[in-house]
Amino acid sequence: QKEVEQDPGPLSVPEGAIVSLNCTYSNSAFQYFMWYRQYSRKGPELLMYTYSSGNKEDGRFTAQVDKSSKYISLFIRDSQPSDSATYLCAMSHPFQGAQKLVFGQGTRLTINP
Amino acid sequence: NAGVMQNPRHLVRRRGQEARLRCSPVKGHSHVYWYRQLPEEGLKFMVYLQKENIIDESGMPKERFSAEFPKEGPSILRIQQVVRGDSAAYFCASSPLGQGYNSPLHFGNGTRLTVT
Repeated sequence: QKEVEQDPGPLSVPEGAIVSLNCTYSNSAFQYFMWYRQYSRKGPELLMYTYSSGNKEDGRFTAQVDKSSKYISLFIRDSQPSDSATYLCAMSHPFQGAQKLVFGQGTRLTINP
Repeated sequence: NAGVMQNPRHLVRRRGQEARLRCSPVKGHSHVYWYRQLPEEGLKFMVYLQKENIIDESGMPKERFSAEFPKEGPSILRIQQVVRGDSAAYFCASSPLGQGYNSPLHFGNGTRLTVT
């Protein structure tokens, strides 16, 4: 079993829809949770960074962490064609190093105009 | 402000040759991380270096792979006697703070290695 599970998709939605992306994990020691966006042939770009449980909002993006369920989500409101990319969840814990990230496989998202 | 710079962007090597991948961290960052992304897979940690020190190489294959981050110059990931299975995108990230700190990583655009 992988430490971090993420549905690879692909996921295709119309422009303006609300997108929900999710990851589950098995290691209860994870405390730092991140979402990265990766365009084709580019490096991962940090979108959201949260510590422990709760919600964090940044513009059209909301990240949620539910440590009791070992489940994290990224919501994208008013989705735009420019949001079409692969979204990677990543997490880490301080005992192994906060920057030693464990990534999900990534979900390929397409927003259709 | 320049971000993490990696070169070359694309590298083609024949089986048995050596590959050298270079990473220049963000100016002022002294912590460098290398990750590998195999086709259709997420990124996997390889190695964490500080200037002149390897801190954590638990993700590095035991043979043929090595990394360094000298006092001057970029970090180098070296793969000797490459095989087809080494074909992947290799990403470098840097941080101003060490692994004990709450400091997210910022990645370069990677080097795509193709072994023929």
